[in-house]
Amino acid sequence: GQQLNQSPQSMFIQEGEDVSMNCTSSSIFNTWLWYKQDPGEGPVLLIALYKAGELTSNGRLTAQFGITRKDSFLNISASIPSDVGIYFCAGPISGGGADGLTFGKGTHLIIQP
Amino acid sequence: EAGVTQSPTHLIKTRGQQATLRCSPISGHTSVYWYQQALGLGLQFLLWYDEGEERNRGNFPPRFSGRQFPNYSSELNVNALELEDSALYLCASSPRGYEQYFGPGTRLTVT
Repeated sequence: GQQLNQSPQSMFIQEGEDVSMNCTSSSIFNTWLWYKQDPGEGPVLLIALYKAGELTSNGRLTAQFGITRKDSFLNISASIPSDVGIYFCAGPISGGGADGLTFGKGTHLIIQP
Repeated sequence: EAGVTQSPTHLIKTRGQQATLRCSPISGHTSVYWYQQALGLGLQFLLWYDEGEERNRGNFPPRFSGRQFPNYSSELNVNALELEDSALYLCASSPRGYEQYFGPGTRLTVT
């Protein structure tokens, strides 16, 4: 099946800093999704991307669908304590179309006081 | 609008028993997906149901099964439980698109 490589695995940042993380695949995706998961809870959908080159924002979060369709990026500006959590990228197992999702292993975001 | 709900929150079973987990999708969503999140293994796709039919399944043995009811709610059954089945089981629903919305999960512990 599709493998998603997410980096970095973890990030230790100061409050107020900007954050960047990315996700790559060996195969083409037609959809990229970004989720955030807090401990003991289900993932929450942050941003959905459907078109190569697309740049979409949700508040302080901005995500981009790479033009090769094999990567995606998530940026968080001016981080705040509630941004702490695990961020996952995901895409349809089949590469396109409604289907189960394959997930990256996540980026743990830790904000140092 | 109510989100995806799952029950029970926690479930403790012994090896060899059967577990039944339940999920109610967001109103208007017809697709339900099940995922397993085991420690160290990440989120793995288990099953996809749409309009009462199983549409796809992940790389899991047949003792993982389920069904979707006419009201679009769903049940996941795990037979002959093994210790490695201990995990957070997550249900997600989708309005026949690509975006999936997750519930809080059921924590299954097998002893």
